[in-house]
Amino acid sequence: GAVVSQHPSRVICKSGTSVKIECRSLDFQATTMFWYRQFPKQSLMLMATSNEGSKATYEQGVEKDKFLINHASLTLSTLTVTSAHPEDSSFYICSARALRVGGTDTQYFGPGTRLTVL
Amino acid sequence: AQKITQTQPGMFVQEKEAVTLDCTYDTSDQSYGLFWYKQPSSGEMIFLIYQGSYDEQNATEGRYSLNFQKARKSANLVISASQLGDSAMYFCAMREGAHFGNEKLTFGTGTRLTIIP
Repeated sequence: GAVVSQHPSRVICKSGTSVKIECRSLDFQATTMFWYRQFPKQSLMLMATSNEGSKATYEQGVEKDKFLINHASLTLSTLTVTSAHPEDSSFYICSARALRVGGTDTQYFGPGTRLTVL
Repeated sequence: AQKITQTQPGMFVQEKEAVTLDCTYDTSDQSYGLFWYKQPSSGEMIFLIYQGSYDEQNATEGRYSLNFQKARKSANLVISASQLGDSAMYFCAMREGAHFGNEKLTFGTGTRLTIIP
């Protein structure tokens, strides 16, 4: 259980275009999803917390107008990178909060999306 | 100050040996949770094990166990009988606070584990 999918797994786009990444919880409902960014050989950095039916909460330094997050349903959150530039090239990974057996709140991660902006 | 510190950027271990990955944390909260995730070269983050700050016993999940030493603020991951498939990056993470909804995770810098046949 607690499977999270992401689409697409890889995307290459031209500078100035927008890219949408989908994050889905497949076998559970997730009122809260998280978006992370990971540069090569570095750790995960939280970008924003996405709550179903409300505005996302962005971490300090993350441009909310550039990284648009929509959590329209209990199983889907989308991240749109608007007017992408080469410096936006990175590995984007989402997670969804679920309760494990025993009641522990745990984040389950999607497989990630590698974005390359030319 | 770093909230999560992983001091071993890389480790090489012989297959079938046990391995300990270090993690120390810094928090003033009384209620917190500690997680270990595995990230293979494919990129996905795989949840391995969880330890709550109030859990009196060390967590275990199959070949994984967590050596939780609260006074020292350490939460080391122990992998018994290592396998070639264990080669990956391993991240320690912490969730602070007891309030429902405060689920942000802070990750360490990771340890790259390589199992040698």
